Amino acid sequence: EAQVTQNPRYLITVTGKKLTVTCSQNMNHEYMSWYRQDPGLGLRQIYYSMNVEVTDKGDVPEGYKVSRKEKRNFPLILESPSPNQTSLYFCASSRTGYNQPQHFGDGTRLSIL
Amino acid sequence: EDQVTQSPEALRLQEGESSSLNCSYTVSGLRGLFWYRQDPGKGPEFLFTLYSAGEEKEKERLKATLTKKESFLHITAPKPEDSATYLCAVQANYGGSQGNLIFGKGTKLSVKP
Repeated sequence: EAQVTQNPRYLITVTGKKLTVTCSQNMNHEYMSWYRQDPGLGLRQIYYSMNVEVTDKGDVPEGYKVSRKEKRNFPLILESPSPNQTSLYFCASSRTGYNQPQHFGDGTRLSIL
Repeated sequence: EDQVTQSPEALRLQEGESSSLNCSYTVSGLRGLFWYRQDPGKGPEFLFTLYSAGEEKEKERLKATLTKKESFLHITAPKPEDSATYLCAVQANYGGSQGNLIFGKGTKLSVKP
């Protein structure tokens, strides 16, 4: 089954404790992206990757890092999480090119205390 | 600045009561407009892509249309299982690279039996 898998689905942690949210897709997609979704603000892009070793900032990249060492994986790293990063996070992937629909994972709910 | 505005924010319908959701956009060089459905606790699920003004696409009780400034998602004789948040996103022509998606804040649809 074609899917985007995120782990963990839920995480409660404390300020400053480094964490990584993993994302893996099995569709051989070149393009991958991370979003955060907050009430009243909608989905906002954090980082995206056009292909292996190619990453770029989205609209809200501050406080986040990403890497793309393999085509299928695109982890999101919070080196020193803060409470304002409490949010619902989604990973998505698609084929490259315009008009390619993005396929989303089921989300990771992060709470930073 | 590229912008996507969805209205209404929330819509309550009785089962069988047809209605429309609106997505108005301001973008320089539209490459594609996407409609997604999002259920609670899930990631957005792709519904349609529209490419050019005048285009229409249908899926079961849903029909999406596109003009030069807005898109409508028409829901005919909705059922309770159509209850979800519907998201609109646009992809702009940034020349040379895949344009990232800009999302609206969504319309939360509730259909009562």
